Amino acid sequence: SAVISQKPSRDICQRGTSLTIQCQVDSQVTMMFWYRQQPGQSLTLIATANQGSEATYESGFVIDKFPISRPNLTFSTLTVSNMSPEDSSIYLCSVTTQGKGPYEQYFGPGTRLTVT
Amino acid sequence: AQKITQTQPGMFVQEKEAVTLDCTYDTSDPSYGLFWYKQPSSGEMIFLIYQGSYDQQNATEGRYSLNFQKARKSANLVISASQLGDSAMYFCAMREGSNDYKLSFGAGTTVTVRA
Repeated sequence: SAVISQKPSRDICQRGTSLTIQCQVDSQVTMMFWYRQQPGQSLTLIATANQGSEATYESGFVIDKFPISRPNLTFSTLTVSNMSPEDSSIYLCSVTTQGKGPYEQYFGPGTRLTVT
Repeated sequence: AQKITQTQPGMFVQEKEAVTLDCTYDTSDPSYGLFWYKQPSSGEMIFLIYQGSYDQQNATEGRYSLNFQKARKSANLVISASQLGDSAMYFCAMREGSNDYKLSFGAGTTVTVRA
């Protein structure tokens, strides 16, 4: 399995500011994803982080609001820009590995963001 | 349309008893995978069990088993011999196709285990 770390683990930010969340994996992974979980809600996919190219965003999410980088096979960042209280969520990094099992899909510990 | 439906917002179970969490799914892709994750109050997502659409047998992982009824498009999770540490939110998720690793999640079910 892959060991995933995220920084920061939590933060309280003021509206209008931006926060960059880091996701680091201990091994090379095939794909990296960013999910958002609003309070009391399920997980929603924000985008697929592509190595060396622009991320692929899901409907309802745009690059200007959630710029994503993936400079190599083990690291990605998600920035939440111009934050508002509605951005208060847990943001989770997820990865897939080239293991033998079809269920090689893991999540990081999450970043709990509160916007005031 | 919702791809994953979990109709039980919350459930209570007595310690040492079994509990079944419902999950139905909707897809036209013949190749798909179904996942169950546990999310304790800490927020991390813990992988529990996986069932592939072509798997002939129901998946089992320790105290977790998946009751896969393909014709009914249901993939219920059974937790046997519940423990206090099983109190958490449980999510059913689906991945469609062979190459697309994106997951669609259900709304989740909160399980509370009583001593």
